[in-house]
Amino acid sequence: AQSVTQLGSHVSVSEGALVLLRCNYSSSVPPYLFWYVQYPNQGLQLLLKYTTGATLVKGINGFEAEFKKSETSFHLTKPSAHMSDAAEYFCAVTLSGNTPLVFGKGTRLSVIA
Amino acid sequence: KAGVTQTPRYLIKTRGQQVTLSCSPISGHRSVSWYQQTPGQGLQFLFEYFSETQRNKGNFPGRFSGRQFSNSRSEMNVSTLELGDSALYLCASSLRQSGGYTFGSGTRLTVV
Repeated sequence: AQSVTQLGSHVSVSEGALVLLRCNYSSSVPPYLFWYVQYPNQGLQLLLKYTTGATLVKGINGFEAEFKKSETSFHLTKPSAHMSDAAEYFCAVTLSGNTPLVFGKGTRLSVIA
Repeated sequence: KAGVTQTPRYLIKTRGQQVTLSCSPISGHRSVSWYQQTPGQGLQFLFEYFSETQRNKGNFPGRFSGRQFSNSRSEMNVSTLELGDSALYLCASSLRQSGGYTFGSGTRLTVV
């Protein structure tokens, strides 16, 4: 069965600083990987996804993530944090078949002015 | 195009009652999944429906059930509510799994 580990339940960065949110997965077959963002009292919004092909994927709002099979990682980065990036971020994995999304516990990102 | 619509947004119920939540997927999406989100357990998969058939089921008691109609709209029902059922219930629809899921804003259920 697949699983996701997000290192750090809370990350705090200064406005303009690099954002790095860590995600490691466990899967017996090549996975599909996703990052979602959740703002207070809202649902989840898809930031980006990796299925096949290019391992560096770009998403919305300036975020990107790199799939590293050797490290079983899919870390999310953004070069310069903005106050509006403050939210909860979830990494998720599913297998290339009819299996449900499995989510990490989430990382709450705070941005300090 | 319209997103995933969940109704109602907020709900307060008493222990022992039952509740029905509704989800209308994006037009053309035939897969609908339900998730429960709580501070302690995070996001947990409840079930998935595809073309009116339950395709996957999570590890929840039989009090949690769902169904999907021919227009792809889905409902989930929780019977004999317990305090621990208080959560945000999220519905997500998908055209295909590799494309990711689009989530609704959720229904916040409070059991008192």
